[in-house]
Amino acid sequence: DAGVTQSPTHLIKTRGQQVTLRCSPKSGHDTVSWYQQALGQGPQFIFQYYEEEERQRGNFPDRFSGHQFPNYSSELNVNALLLGDSALYLCASSLGTDDTQYFGPGTRLTVL
Amino acid sequence: DAKTTQPPSMDCAEGRAANLPCNHSTISGNEYVYWYRQIHSQGPQYIIHGLKNNETNEMASLIITEDRKSSTLILPHATLRDTAVYYCIVRPVNSGNTPLVFGKGTRLSVIA
Repeated sequence: DAGVTQSPTHLIKTRGQQVTLRCSPKSGHDTVSWYQQALGQGPQFIFQYYEEEERQRGNFPDRFSGHQFPNYSSELNVNALLLGDSALYLCASSLGTDDTQYFGPGTRLTVL
Repeated sequence: DAKTTQPPSMDCAEGRAANLPCNHSTISGNEYVYWYRQIHSQGPQYIIHGLKNNETNEMASLIITEDRKSSTLILPHATLRDTAVYYCIVRPVNSGNTPLVFGKGTRLSVIA
């Protein structure tokens, strides 16, 4: 049973660039949530996708956007990258919005 | 803000039980207590959750006080691989779109 997968594992970008991160949910799951984890901090909620729509959003600017595909996989897009966007980006999947969330290994983004 | 309070760090000898406390004095009757752990630079791993009764699975036991204002996660025979940051999280039963709110967690060091 495949767990949550994310790609790429590591990414280096420069300020002002755009980045796309990808997530495939655990088999049977239909809901994807994205979190940002800065060094030394706990994960912070970015947004959640269910039925291909953004259902809830945390305190992140519009530079952060996402998408969910019919196969439930999801993308996180960040435009106009800032140095402060350097972080571990985590994807979590669940069956519906009430269920236990299971996390992927994360994508480490470094902005230079 | 996180609704839980945890000690910042703890040590445990290998092979001994690790008892990680969590205070959630403002918890309501329809909120679960969830535990996750995060091994360095990996995604958080779900451990266990409970509402009122004590719970046990292959990873750990969760003991919730009768007034539900605190709980303890017990790793019965800690190994070096249990060294991680442990997060205690309160989450509504019918959480809908409510995201997980992570605090700073407890850094558990298992010592040989």
